[in-house]
Amino acid sequence: DAGVIQSPRHEVTEMGQEVTLRCKPISGHNSLFWYRQTMMRGLELLIYFNNNVPIDDSGMPEDRFSAKMPNASFSTLKIQPSEPRDSAVYFCASRLTGLGNQPQHFGDGTRLSIL
Amino acid sequence: GENVEQHPSTLSVQEGDSAVIKCTYSDSASNYFPWYKQELGKRPQLIIDIRSNVGEKKDQRIAVTLNKTAKHFSLHITETQPEDSAVYFCAASNAPGGSQGNLIFGKGTKLSVKP
Repeated sequence: DAGVIQSPRHEVTEMGQEVTLRCKPISGHNSLFWYRQTMMRGLELLIYFNNNVPIDDSGMPEDRFSAKMPNASFSTLKIQPSEPRDSAVYFCASRLTGLGNQPQHFGDGTRLSIL
Repeated sequence: GENVEQHPSTLSVQEGDSAVIKCTYSDSASNYFPWYKQELGKRPQLIIDIRSNVGEKKDQRIAVTLNKTAKHFSLHITETQPEDSAVYFCAASNAPGGSQGNLIFGKGTKLSVKP
């Protein structure tokens, strides 16, 4: 099992640029979560999907953030335009939902720096 | 919605001593409580979880206890070792039945084990 795969691992870009983060969940998992982690705010849920459908996006900070899940094996988180305060580590996680309580498994994260 | 409080925020122990981290939750419908360990620069990894139909679960030096009446659960690490040093997160499932909901995370506890 390859685990949750995120790309890129690191991203450095200038403010105003579009940023796209990518995630491939564990095969067979039907729920996918995007988190943002900072020292100040800890681990924050941004959005999550069940069976490719967005269920709760109340954590998405602004309209500059958008997320899609076009199929069961791929999701993107896009920031446009990016700002320095978006600098953080972004984690994707997946789980198998529907067979009782199952844990979330995290990817290695994308460390994003907006200059 | 669910709210998870975690204490202490930092914890320092001598190698060989025990460490205890406590969490409280607000939603009595929550029934799944995982614990994650995050080493510096790495992803959160599940170390143990407990479901509401049991009061205690143990895995080698790690144990978790759950008090549903008081709505709190705790992580116990015995015979601590320097490699136990990390940030530990508790979480609770925020949907009835647990299988469809997201996890609500505590703010984390930074554990330092001194040799």
